[in-house]
Amino acid sequence: AQKITQTQPGMFVQEKEAVTLDCTYDTSDPSYGLFWYKQPSSGEMIFLIYQGSYDQQNATEGRYSLNFQKARKSANLVISASQLGDSAMYFCAMREINFNKFYFGSGTKLNVKP
Amino acid sequence: EAGVTQFPSHSVIEKGQTVTLRCDPISGHDNLYWYRRVMGKEIKFLLHFVKESKQDESGMPNNRFLAERTGGTYSTLKVQPAELEDSGVYFCASSQERTANSPLHFGNGTRLTVT
Repeated sequence: AQKITQTQPGMFVQEKEAVTLDCTYDTSDPSYGLFWYKQPSSGEMIFLIYQGSYDQQNATEGRYSLNFQKARKSANLVISASQLGDSAMYFCAMREINFNKFYFGSGTKLNVKP
Repeated sequence: EAGVTQFPSHSVIEKGQTVTLRCDPISGHDNLYWYRRVMGKEIKFLLHFVKESKQDESGMPNNRFLAERTGGTYSTLKVQPAELEDSGVYFCASSQERTANSPLHFGNGTRLTVT
């Protein structure tokens, strides 16, 4: 079974608008971490934001926030006030502590239109 | 602090040839991972080193792939002989701690094309 599912292969958003990238996960490990990475066309993987399974509040990092709904096993990334430089691939990932493994989704390609 | 570096950035080889990819993790990071992304698919785990020991190599596709991390510093991933389906981007990543909130720090990847 897929550990991480990203159902949006591609998304478009108008500059300055907010966009939500979906991510659902599957685990039986009670302790896990959820991450989002950005991969611009240059190829590097940039860590954006982290959410722990026991965190009570949604994580925020600047214009990035993580909408964590534990019961639904979803960890959507919200980018506010999109910028042209946000155009990139975005990967959702999960780390299971007991198994010390990272799992990644297939990614969402975001295009920000001027 | 230097990031994770990978070499080469691109490699084009013919089926049956050998290729060796190198990864230098962030200094002091005991955990080193190899991942692979085939076009349009998810990033798949290959293996995990803790220092020089292979902690988990359950993702290695077959015995044509050999990973080493001598001395617990840099790591190499050798593909011998290469097949067409080995084409993809190979990422190396390192992390300092084995805790839930410790992110992976990635290199820029090696794009391998087998023709």
